[in-house]
Amino acid sequence: AQSVTQLDSQVPVFEEAPVELRCNYSSSVSVYLFWYVQYPNQGLQLLLKYLSGSTLVKGINGFEAEFNKSQTSFHLRKPSVHISDTAEYFCAVSHRNDYKLSFGAGTTVTVRA
Amino acid sequence: GAVVSQHPSWVICKSGTSVKIECRSLDFQATTMFWYRQFPKQSLMLMATSNEGSKATYEQGVEKDKFLINHASLTLSTLTVTSAHPEDSSFYICSATRDGENIQYFGAGTRLSVL
Repeated sequence: AQSVTQLDSQVPVFEEAPVELRCNYSSSVSVYLFWYVQYPNQGLQLLLKYLSGSTLVKGINGFEAEFNKSQTSFHLRKPSVHISDTAEYFCAVSHRNDYKLSFGAGTTVTVRA
Repeated sequence: GAVVSQHPSWVICKSGTSVKIECRSLDFQATTMFWYRQFPKQSLMLMATSNEGSKATYEQGVEKDKFLINHASLTLSTLTVTSAHPEDSSFYICSATRDGENIQYFGAGTRLSVL
C-alpha cells in the first residue's frame, strides 16, 4: 500500500510571494502522482499530474511540481501567488495498475495582501 | 471535457430517513466511479469503488448496508445513506475515471446534515 505525507498543514503567504507545498510518498511499486485543489465547499480540481516522462510538470494557474524519485517527493510550487490561490491543496498517489487514490492530509494555503 | 456533476449539493434530513446522492459524468462514459467522505478540515477517505453493472467494492470499515451504491449506467452512480444518523453528517464527494485514463475527475460534493 502507498501512503502520502504532506509536511505542512498550513502555509500562510503574502500575495505575489512564491510558495512551495511539500509532498512525500512511500510505495513499493511505480506510482502516478497528482495535486488537487479544493476551494471551500467544493469538490477537487486537478492542478497537475505526473504519469511519466519529464519530471517537471506544469499545471493550471501557474503551478508546477517536480517528481524526485530518489527522494520520493512531488513538491508543488508557484512563483507568485494571488489571493485567489487561497484554498486546500491535496497531494495524491495511485498505483500504475490501480485507479484508487491515496490522499495526503492536505495543506491549507492562505494568501494575504 | 470530463465534467462530473453531483446532486444535490446540500441536503438536510431527519434522523432515520434515507438520502440519495447522484453522481453523473456529463460528457464521458465513466468506467469506474469512486465515493469519498470528508470530515471538516480533513482529507478524503475512500468509501467504495463502483463499476458499471457490478457490485461496489467497499473499503474496510465502511458498512455496505448503510451506504448503498448503485452504478446502473456508464454515466450514473448513486450513493444512498440509509437510516441516516447525525454521525453520518459529512461532505460526500464522488469521482469518475474514463476508460484507459488513470485520472479521477471529481464532483462538487454533497454536504449532508442529519438532524
